[in-house]
Amino acid sequence: DAGVTQSPTHLIKTRGQQVTLRCSPKSGHDTVSWYQQALGQGPQFIFQYYEEEERQRGNFPDRFSGHQFPNYSSELNVNALLLGDSALYLCASSYGTSNTETQYFGPGTRLLVL
Amino acid sequence: AQSVTQPDIHITVSEGASLELRCNYSYGATPYLFWYVQSPGQGLQLLLKYFSGDTLVQGIKGFEAEFKRSQSSFNLRKPSVHWSDAAEYFCAVVGRGNNDMRFGAGTRLTVKP
Repeated sequence: DAGVTQSPTHLIKTRGQQVTLRCSPKSGHDTVSWYQQALGQGPQFIFQYYEEEERQRGNFPDRFSGHQFPNYSSELNVNALLLGDSALYLCASSYGTSNTETQYFGPGTRLLVL
Repeated sequence: AQSVTQPDIHITVSEGASLELRCNYSYGATPYLFWYVQSPGQGLQLLLKYFSGDTLVQGIKGFEAEFKRSQSSFNLRKPSVHWSDAAEYFCAVVGRGNNDMRFGAGTRLTVKP
């Protein structure tokens, strides 16, 4: 049983560019959450997707957007990249939107913005 | 403001010694509480969680944590540390009724032989 997978593993972009990160949830999971983890910090909640809709959002600007597909996989898009967007981006999946459900995290995509 | 504080950035313990990692939170009401571990190149793995009831929670890999409401703390403990426990540990909280999970900055654990 595959866990949460993310692609790509690493990515280098320049300021002003746009990036798309991908996540496939653990089998049987229908909810995907995205987190940003800056170097030396804990993860910060970006948003959560369920039934192809954004259900909750953290304190991130509109440059951060997402999508969930009918197969529950998800994409995170970041427009107009800033140097400060350099971070590890984590995807987590769970079954349902209850915050008592265990979230399973992927290994992350490390984004470097130059 | 909702926040999670892990006072220790880095802790070094000898293999076989006991371990306690500290976590304090500031929240309007008692949140749900979690401890995660992150090894290099790995995603976060849930060690244990507290929702209600017994304030001493048992987790995986021999870890336990104790919720103390009066101190707004949720410290993680292990009686005997193994070299494989070297990793980054994160305390996290989420309010009852929302999904905006807040993480502490993490404590890096080094295990000496």
